[in-house]
Amino acid sequence: DQQVKQNSPSLSVQEGRISILNCDYTNSMFDYFLWYKKYPAEGPTFLISISSIKDKNEDGRFTVFLNKSAKHLSLHIVPSQPGDSAVYFCAASDTDSNYQLIWGAGTKLIIKP
Amino acid sequence: NAGVTQTPKFRILKIGQSMTLQCAQDMNHNYMYWYRQDPGMGLKLIYYSVGAGITDKGEVPNGYNVSRSTTEDFPLRLELAAPSQTSVYFCASSKRPGLVTDTQYFGPGTRLTVL
Repeated sequence: DQQVKQNSPSLSVQEGRISILNCDYTNSMFDYFLWYKKYPAEGPTFLISISSIKDKNEDGRFTVFLNKSAKHLSLHIVPSQPGDSAVYFCAASDTDSNYQLIWGAGTKLIIKP
Repeated sequence: NAGVTQTPKFRILKIGQSMTLQCAQDMNHNYMYWYRQDPGMGLKLIYYSVGAGITDKGEVPNGYNVSRSTTEDFPLRLELAAPSQTSVYFCASSKRPGLVTDTQYFGPGTRLTVL
């Protein structure tokens, strides 16, 4: 039973356009969400996060939106650049419970020149 | 700073063999984690440690053991390897104790195949 779902295994976007990566969750106790980025043969690196008390967090070209009623979050990358080609993982946590992050399966983003 | 280092990068084991995956960090982080990632799946927590001498189980601990004798090192031991343990293993660390929201820093991973 996957509590965090990234339903698109891959996404292809033209360079300069907007990339939108989606993530759905089922556990209403989740109150903190993170996006990690992973290049081949490397470990994931932290990208951006959002607390459930917010509905938007922005960091440069990256913006995460949280819709708690729909249990949905999305990562927007504007404009998309070739270096953004990577696998993006969504992760969530119930910060009152334990130290465990629950991870989605990842979405492979391909930026086309 | 080297960050989080893992050895080996690749390993092939026969069923029933054992091995230790090494993990070290030089950032003086209190928290360390072991994850596995199976194809098409998200990372799953195997074990974590909140400091030297303290470890606890994660979501999928069966078939694994850990120890944390120093702040820097967090080895993962596989006893009696099984094909179901074929996976990519990631070690991670984070600084602040008791704060799951703190950024985790990952090593490059160990790709393990059990035949």
